[in-house]
Amino acid sequence: KAGVTQTPRYLIKTRGQQVTLSCSPISGHRSVSWYQQTPGQGLQFLFEYFSETQRNKGNFPGRFSGRQFSNSRSEMNVSTLELGDSALYLCASSPGGWEETQYFGPGTRLLVL
Amino acid sequence: AQTVTQSQPEMSVQEAETVTLSCTYDTSENNYYLFWYKQPPSRQMILVIRQEAYKQQNATENRFSVNFQKAAKSFSLKISDSQLGDTAMYFCAFITNTGNQFYFGTGTSLTVIP
Repeated sequence: KAGVTQTPRYLIKTRGQQVTLSCSPISGHRSVSWYQQTPGQGLQFLFEYFSETQRNKGNFPGRFSGRQFSNSRSEMNVSTLELGDSALYLCASSPGGWEETQYFGPGTRLLVL
Repeated sequence: AQTVTQSQPEMSVQEAETVTLSCTYDTSENNYYLFWYKQPPSRQMILVIRQEAYKQQNATENRFSVNFQKAAKSFSLKISDSQLGDTAMYFCAFITNTGNQFYFGTGTSLTVIP
């Protein structure tokens, strides 16, 4: 099976712009989670989608949003970018049960100038 | 609060030697799973090993094994016969049945020295 894929791999934006990141889960996986990874804050949970519904949400401002499509692919959107949004954004997929292993994608490196 | 503490920011080990990475966690839940993930310089996060909290037997995966002490909320990772490819950042994490999200530690950067 193909692994989790994320596009684009690298992105440069300027403050105030908005950005959309995409994640394609492993075939058959229905849960997609998003994480932000920064040197200062480590790995922080953004949100999780299951069957097109947001099932869980972390403590991020409303500028961060996401959605999931019927084929389980997920997108994450960040509006009004700030310098502090520069990070590696990881998505992870799992079959859906909370106890099941999550498999991570390679990440999208976002740089906000 | 759900927290994970990895008290060793950096470690090094000679090739073929054994190294242990420590991890402690805090949760009030009884039903949870613990994980060690590895993130090599290429950045792809890879599962190393997982442990069900209700199982007393320590998980083992080839050269990787854990020492799970539930009462102490400790979950250390032992890497035997270290290889150069083991050089990576290692993250300890857990997930509970009350919220489908990982709680990650801050990571331990492991360098295997030839």
